[in-house]
Amino acid sequence: AQSVTQPDIHITVSEGASLELRCNYSYGATPYLFWYVQSPGQGLQLLLKYFSGDTLVQGIKGFEAEFKRSQSSFNLRKPSVHWSDAAEYFCAVVSGGGADGLTFGKGTHLIIQP
Amino acid sequence: ETGVTQSPTHLIKTRGQQVTLRCSSQSGHNTVSWYQQALGQGPQFIFQYYREEENGRGNFPPRFSGLQFPNYSSELNVNALELDDSALYLCASSAGPLGPNFSEQFFGPGTRLTVL
Repeated sequence: AQSVTQPDIHITVSEGASLELRCNYSYGATPYLFWYVQSPGQGLQLLLKYFSGDTLVQGIKGFEAEFKRSQSSFNLRKPSVHWSDAAEYFCAVVSGGGADGLTFGKGTHLIIQP
Repeated sequence: ETGVTQSPTHLIKTRGQQVTLRCSSQSGHNTVSWYQQALGQGPQFIFQYYREEENGRGNFPPRFSGLQFPNYSSELNVNALELDDSALYLCASSAGPLGPNFSEQFFGPGTRLTVL
C-alpha cells in the first residue's frame, strides 16, 4: 500500500528565509505526487503536482518541489517565505489507478517568525 | 464560478446517532470525493463518486455511505456514530475520477463533526 511520511511536525522559519519541507513516499510504481496547503478554517489548496517529466515542478505562490526517485522524496521549497505562508502543508500521493484516492501525510505545521 | 460548498459548517451529535453531510460540487465537475481529517492528521480517503456510482473506497466501515445526485452534488451518511468519528469531513470535486488522467481535486472548507 502507498504511504507518505512528513518527518517534520512543526517547522519555524523567519520571514524572508528559505524553506524546505520534506516528504517521503512509499509506492512501487511511479507515483503522482502533490503538495497541498491548508489555512485555518479553509479547505485544501493545491500548490503543485508531479506526474512525469521534469523532476523540478513549479507551483503557485512561489513554491517549487523536486522529485527524486532514488530517495523516494518530493520536497517542497520556497526561496523566501512570507508571513502569509504560515499554514499546514500536506504531501500526498495517488496511484495510477486512483481507486484508493489521495493518500496524505500527517502534515507539517509552518510557523513564520517576524 | 462557484467553488465547492459544504453544509453544515459545524455539527454536534451523540454516540449512536446518524448524520448526513452535504457537498455541492464545482460547476462542470462530475466527481466527488470525501475525506475524513482527524485532529492533527492528514485527510483520509473515504470514497469517491463518479457519475452517481461509487468509484473507489478507502478503509472505512459500511456505516459510512454516500450518494451522488444527477446534479453531481453528494451526501455522506454515517450511521451509529462513534466518538472516533469526530473529525473534519472534506469534500472534493473534480472534472473526472482519480486515475491516469488525473483531474485536479478542489476541496471545500469542510464540516466539523463532534460526537459526544
